Amino acid sequence: DAGITQSPRHKVTETGTPVTLRCHQTENHRYMYWYRQDPGHGLRLIHYSYGVKDTDKGEVSDGYSVSRSKTEDFLLTLESATSSQTSVYFCAISAIRADYGYTFGSGTRLTVV
Amino acid sequence: ELKVEQNPLFLSMQEGKNYTIYCNYSTTSDRLYWYRQDPGKSLESLFVLLSNGAVKQEGRLMASLDTKARLSTLHITAAVHDLSATYFCAVNNAGNMLTFGGGTRLMVKP
Repeated sequence: DAGITQSPRHKVTETGTPVTLRCHQTENHRYMYWYRQDPGHGLRLIHYSYGVKDTDKGEVSDGYSVSRSKTEDFLLTLESATSSQTSVYFCAISAIRADYGYTFGSGTRLTVV
Repeated sequence: ELKVEQNPLFLSMQEGKNYTIYCNYSTTSDRLYWYRQDPGKSLESLFVLLSNGAVKQEGRLMASLDTKARLSTLHITAAVHDLSATYFCAVNNAGNMLTFGGGTRLMVKP
C-alpha cells in the first residue's frame, strides 16, 4: 500500500546547503510527523503537524523547519545542512486518536558531506 | 517528559526458545504500539494496545499492556530465524505524538 510516500529516498548534500524532504499521503489523515533515526537514539520527533498550517516542534527541532500547505503534503527543510543531520528521516501519519496506529513512510537516507 | 525504556537492547536467542521484551514508560498513557523494523527498512506495525489489560497475539508474538504498572511486554514463543529484526515500543502522549523506546535488536540463531 502506498498511502504514504517520501521523496527522495536517498540524498547526498554538502554542508551549508538547504535541503527539503517531502512526505505525501493519500489517507487524508490529520496528523503528520517527521522523525529521525540514528544508531543509539532510536527514533526522535523533529516536528509534527495537526492540520493545514498547524505545526509544532518536537524533541530535536533545532536546524529544521516544516510546512504544511495542504493536507496531503508535509515538507521538512534543513535550512543549512550540517554533518550532524546525517540520518535516516521517516515521515509518519495518523488519524485522530490513532486507534489504528501510525503508518510510516519508507524513509529518506540523507548524507551531509 | 515522557520517557520510554526497552530492555534488553540486544537479544540473541536460539530457535525454539521463548523470551520476553519489556517496555516501561514514565507517565500515564493508555496507548502503546509495537513495531518491527528490518535492516534498511521502514517500521511495520505489529500491535496497537489501547487499554489496560489489552492482550494481542499474532503468530509467535504476543503483546500485553498494564497501564497501572506502565509496562508492556512482547513475548516471543518458539522463536524462528524470520523473527530476527529490531522491535520498538512507542507510547502515545499529549498532542498525539509518539515517543519511542530505544529498540531491541533480536537475533535468532538456528
